[in-house]
Amino acid sequence: NAGVTQTPKFQVLKTGQSMTLQCAQDMNHEYMSWYRQDPGMGLRLIHYSVGAGITDQGEVPNGYNVSRSTTEDFPLRLLSAAPSQTSVYFCASSSPSIQTSGAYNEQFFGPGTRLTVL
Amino acid sequence: AQTVTQSQPEMSVQEAETVTLSCTYDTSESNYYLFWYKQPPSRQMILVIRQEAYKQQNATENRFSVNFQKAAKSFSLKISDSQLGDTAMYFCAFMKLYTGNQFYFGTGTSLTVIP
Repeated sequence: NAGVTQTPKFQVLKTGQSMTLQCAQDMNHEYMSWYRQDPGMGLRLIHYSVGAGITDQGEVPNGYNVSRSTTEDFPLRLLSAAPSQTSVYFCASSSPSIQTSGAYNEQFFGPGTRLTVL
Repeated sequence: AQTVTQSQPEMSVQEAETVTLSCTYDTSESNYYLFWYKQPPSRQMILVIRQEAYKQQNATENRFSVNFQKAAKSFSLKISDSQLGDTAMYFCAFMKLYTGNQFYFGTGTSLTVIP
């Protein structure tokens, strides 16, 4: 299993540009989440999903959109990038069901995307 | 809302010694998990240890153990026989169950193991 994969690893945008951060998992996990990591602030939840077609906002959702059309994929969209969105972004997945994942409720993280907005 | 506090931004320890990282949290939930994650310079988040709130017994994983005090809402990590590879940022995290397994992280403790 590849686990949780994220693309790209690095990205530089200009203010006002749009882009999509990709996230995929091959563990058949129901739950997926997006976090951003800023210096001195730990990781903060942006959006999360409990299954295909269902998404909800986390602590810091402004400026970001998500959708979940399949169990495997959970892309994060920046519609109009701002310098305040410069950060490292992590995608994560987990399952509440021990039948789906032997690691009951353990959250698996992708390798992260470092985004710089100029 | 849940908050997680790590009051030690930086710590250091001599190789082979023991170090304890502190974490406190605030929640009104009764059913939750607590985690310690390690983040080396590679940026990858690596699970160190986890504790289910309903379990009274403290979790242990080889050289890593926790002191979970539910009433005090305290969850400290003890690293025994520290190794150079333990040098990393350590994050304490609270997970609210079932509603998407939402995580709330502390601000991290940067641990340096000195040879």
